[in-house]
Amino acid sequence: EADIYQTPRYLVIGTGKKITLECSQTMGHDKMYWYQQDPGMELHLIHYSYGVNSTEKGDLSSESTVSRIRTEHFPLTLESARPSHTSQYLCASSRGDDTGELFFGEGSRLTVL
Amino acid sequence: GQNIDQPTEMTATEGAIVQINCTYQTSGFNGLFWYQQHAGEAPTFLSYNVLDGLEEKGRFSSFLSRSKGYSYLLLKELQMKDSASYLCAVMDSNYQLIWGAGTKLIIKP
Repeated sequence: EADIYQTPRYLVIGTGKKITLECSQTMGHDKMYWYQQDPGMELHLIHYSYGVNSTEKGDLSSESTVSRIRTEHFPLTLESARPSHTSQYLCASSRGDDTGELFFGEGSRLTVL
Repeated sequence: GQNIDQPTEMTATEGAIVQINCTYQTSGFNGLFWYQQHAGEAPTFLSYNVLDGLEEKGRFSSFLSRSKGYSYLLLKELQMKDSASYLCAVMDSNYQLIWGAGTKLIIKP
């Protein structure tokens, strides 16, 4: 069973608020990812990290930031939330080998009013 | 551009067999993955193919043809709990996963 945790699971906030979605894993994985997924749609990569102090932008990164100060922690921050940010946010980690198996957290469902 | 195609929805009967197809066009290929995602939950890993052929794992099998840019996931002895979305993903030349939109599988009694 994967040990990767996301908080909050559900969040409803107003436009313009700053929010941070937390993600922690206890598997010692170097690679971590943030994905955005709307119902019935594909996963879109927002940010990823290959290790401490390493962060890279994905396809939808322009309105959010991440940090990787510790191996186990990979928070995602939206500086000013908008209704278009309403979505499911999934954090994942992997061992970093070529099998590419990702272990996902349970997700954070964000609603911006 | 990079593209993953799979049917949007399929329906099958409990106890039967169903095949979910996936075709892909990507910049490079470093493996194809199938994930299962129940409604409202996170995806879970099912299979990984990097060489041509069939990989069997219990009731689930996955096939790959790299020359055709084609894969399928075969589910046997369907159970009601198999009702879920099945996501096809390809690892490209940069070792990034490109995801399909998923196939929603509905199992009827």
